[in-house]
Amino acid sequence: AQSVTQLDSHVSVSEGTPVLLRCNYSSSYSPSLFWYVQHPNKGLQLLLKYTSAATLVKGINGFEAEFKKSETSFHLTKPSAHMSDAAEYFCVVSEGGSSYKLIFGSGTRLLVRP
Amino acid sequence: NAGVTQTPKFRILKIGQSMTLQCTQDMNHNYMYWYRQDPGMGLKLIYYSVGAGITDKGEVPNGYNVSRSTTEDFPLRLELAAPSQTSVYFCASSQSTGGANTGELFFGEGSRLTVL
Repeated sequence: AQSVTQLDSHVSVSEGTPVLLRCNYSSSYSPSLFWYVQHPNKGLQLLLKYTSAATLVKGINGFEAEFKKSETSFHLTKPSAHMSDAAEYFCVVSEGGSSYKLIFGSGTRLLVRP
Repeated sequence: NAGVTQTPKFRILKIGQSMTLQCTQDMNHNYMYWYRQDPGMGLKLIYYSVGAGITDKGEVPNGYNVSRSTTEDFPLRLELAAPSQTSVYFCASSQSTGGANTGELFFGEGSRLTVL
């Protein structure tokens, strides 16, 4: 069975400092992995996705994530936080292929201090 | 290009009432989904559809029904509303490429439902 665990429910950083949001996954298959962002009172938007190509994936707004199979991790990073990055971030795992099943983590709320 | 549109954005229901959440997409996506989001939780899949005329249950289907008569529309019906159905509901769609689901979901802005 697939699962995804986001290790921090809240992360607080100062503007201009690095961001690290942690995600571990469990999958019996070769997974596809995603990070989605949700700004207040909005729907979710795709940040980036990993689908068995390059292990370092670049997304929108300067975010990137590295797939580490040995650690079953897919952590999201950004070198320098901006106030507009304050939002909720969801790590998502899919079986890939024709699967409709996407399993969402419980989310990490990112707070950015001025 | 509107993407995924949900209506209504807000609704208050009394226990036992019924209602339909509307969802339409203009991207010609064949996959459509309904999720609910409860505070501090990730999204839970209620129902999904892989094309017109085809629907199936997700993780939490009890108390809900769906239909998919067209590619564009995927309404979610709540029968006999209960306080446990108080939540934010998101409709989403995605495309397949070569028979494979890309996994990239496009979300509506959500419908906030309160059952009192």
